[in-house]
Amino acid sequence: SQELEQSPQSLIVQEGKNLTINCTSSKTLYGLYWYKQKYGEGLIFLMMLQKGGEEKSHEKITAKLDEKKQQSSLHITASQPSHAGIYLCGADNYGQNFVFGPGTRLSALP
Amino acid sequence: ETGVTQSPTHLIKTRGQQVTLRCSSQSGHNTVSWYQQALGQGPQFIFQYYREEENGRGNFPPRFSGLQFPNYSSELNVNALELDDSALYLCASRTSPRQGNEQFFGPGTRLTVL
Repeated sequence: SQELEQSPQSLIVQEGKNLTINCTSSKTLYGLYWYKQKYGEGLIFLMMLQKGGEEKSHEKITAKLDEKKQQSSLHITASQPSHAGIYLCGADNYGQNFVFGPGTRLSALP
Repeated sequence: ETGVTQSPTHLIKTRGQQVTLRCSSQSGHNTVSWYQQALGQGPQFIFQYYREEENGRGNFPPRFSGLQFPNYSSELNVNALELDDSALYLCASRTSPRQGNEQFFGPGTRLTVL
């Protein structure tokens, strides 16, 4: 079955700094989702990537999909305290199930 | 706002009891999925319904069952509750592939089993 790994597990970033979170799949990625979660709350949809080489941006968050490497990266430019939370990548496994990575916990220092 | 609502917000049950969690998704979202998220972990896929039929299931025992209704609402039923069932239960609805296949989550129901 498909498994997703995320790195780093956690990071602390000073306000204004850039950061990158990676998500690596054990199988070919046909659709990769990025979500943000505040502690104990539901998941907030950030973006979905479907095609190799695809890149999407929303405000200061950019995500890319490298299908050959079975990897996606999420980049935050000039981080703010509002970016703090847990970032989760998820993949649709041929419509049969959906798997998530373990998450990356982002803490932002003022 | 994702348009996905869940009830109740919190629930406390005792071991052996049965529980029903409810979800209401956006009109037109024919696919609904349920997830279990234990503390400190990523969500685990329980099952998925498409047009009122289960069409995908994760590694969960049969005492986890579900229903999807024509009005875009759904239920997750858990029988014979165990202590390890304590978790945040998330419902998600998905747009069609033509609409981008995006998946939106509700706020979750936190279940505590004593």
